Amino acid sequence: GENVEQHPSTLSVQEGDSAVIKCTYSDSASNYFPWYKQELGKGPQLIIDIRSNVGEKKDQRIAVTLNKTAKHFSLHITETQPEDSAVYFCAATEFQGAQKLVFGQGTRLTINP
Amino acid sequence: DAGVIQSPRHEVTEMGQEVTLRCKPISGHDYLFWYRQTMMRGLELLIYFNNNVPIDDSGMPEDRFSAKMPNASFSTLKIQPSEPRDSAVYFCASSLETGAGYTFGSGTRLTVV
Repeated sequence: GENVEQHPSTLSVQEGDSAVIKCTYSDSASNYFPWYKQELGKGPQLIIDIRSNVGEKKDQRIAVTLNKTAKHFSLHITETQPEDSAVYFCAATEFQGAQKLVFGQGTRLTINP
Repeated sequence: DAGVIQSPRHEVTEMGQEVTLRCKPISGHDYLFWYRQTMMRGLELLIYFNNNVPIDDSGMPEDRFSAKMPNASFSTLKIQPSEPRDSAVYFCASSLETGAGYTFGSGTRLTVV
């Protein structure tokens, strides 16, 4: 089945700097790659996603890039703000019988003022 | 829409007791997922339903766990008997598609003592 690995597990950056989180996946059939943000005491919330027919997608300060050949995708956050502090999860679709999402282990991002 | 609604938010129970977690998905979402989140294992898919029918329960850890979806607006996850190792945050999510656009509830934090 699909295996998603996420790095780093923790990341600390200065406010205003950029943050990058990387994920690799194993199933070459995967075609959908979402990123979720989880704040303390809340459920994960979808912040951006990308499909396999696109190499990059941007939404204000957030961007995701996808390299299907290398089977890795990344989340980029620019001009980081304190409210960006949270745990971020990547995910990829698994095709075994029926589609479902497999999540990475998460990255705890801390923005230092 | 109020989003995915889970109850209770917190549950503390004694080992051996039955626990029932509840979920109301977003109206119109045909897919419903139950996830468990722990520090050690991250987000694990337990079971998911399509149009109230269980599709994949391969993630259900053992026979003590059962899930039902009697109608399109309600699902339960039951643990009987509960054990301390079941302590975790349990999330319900729903979506229009099986592999995309999951909306998570706020979760139920279960503590078994």
